Amino acid sequence: GQSLEQPSEVTAVEGAIVQINCTYQTSGFYGLSWYQQHDGGAPTFLSYNALDGLEETGRFSSFLSRSDSYGYLLLQELQMKDSASYFCAVRVYQGGKLIFGQGTELSVKP
Amino acid sequence: DTEVTQTPKHLVMGMTNKKSLKCEQHMGHRAMYWYKQKAKKPPELMFVYSYEKLSINESVPSRFSPECPNSSLLNLHLHALQPEDSALYLCASSLSRESNEKLFFGSGTQLSVL
Repeated sequence: GQSLEQPSEVTAVEGAIVQINCTYQTSGFYGLSWYQQHDGGAPTFLSYNALDGLEETGRFSSFLSRSDSYGYLLLQELQMKDSASYFCAVRVYQGGKLIFGQGTELSVKP
Repeated sequence: DTEVTQTPKHLVMGMTNKKSLKCEQHMGHRAMYWYKQKAKKPPELMFVYSYEKLSINESVPSRFSPECPNSSLLNLHLHALQPEDSALYLCASSLSRESNEKLFFGSGTQLSVL
């Protein structure tokens, strides 16, 4: 079977740094994507890692360790608007469907 | 234009009705997708179209019937739905099926089946 594990909820304060972890057990691995979804909104692509290491895009960074079957999304200088659900998603092979984790609900407090 | 547009935004239908959901993108993407999402859950893949041909059907009941009239449009025809089919239906597109790590999602149709 295919499984992705991420924490169901994370709470942090404005201005802080938060890390959302994702571990995966899949039959293959082609890459790890991250999506953000605000309540009532559409999922929005944040980042993609196919190789080990850190990818940085503004306040958001994503990390992958293929040997550990593990990745994380790092959000810096948290803002209230970052309150949303965050999904990791694995592509098992190129062209294969994305397998989504259950999502992490991030609450940013003042 | 980097948008995927879905209509209608909300739909209420009875179990005997027939309705259609529509999706449009003008980014030149050649892969289009239908997802179903229940509250507090991840999107679940239903169908994938690649170059206007159905390439994946995730064992979806026949009361859901997809259609891709051209490379910019994707429809989902609904007939004889059940209350458990109430959900947010999301359309998405990607440059190609091989580039599906980056999906562009529409805002969805919130469907209620009574």
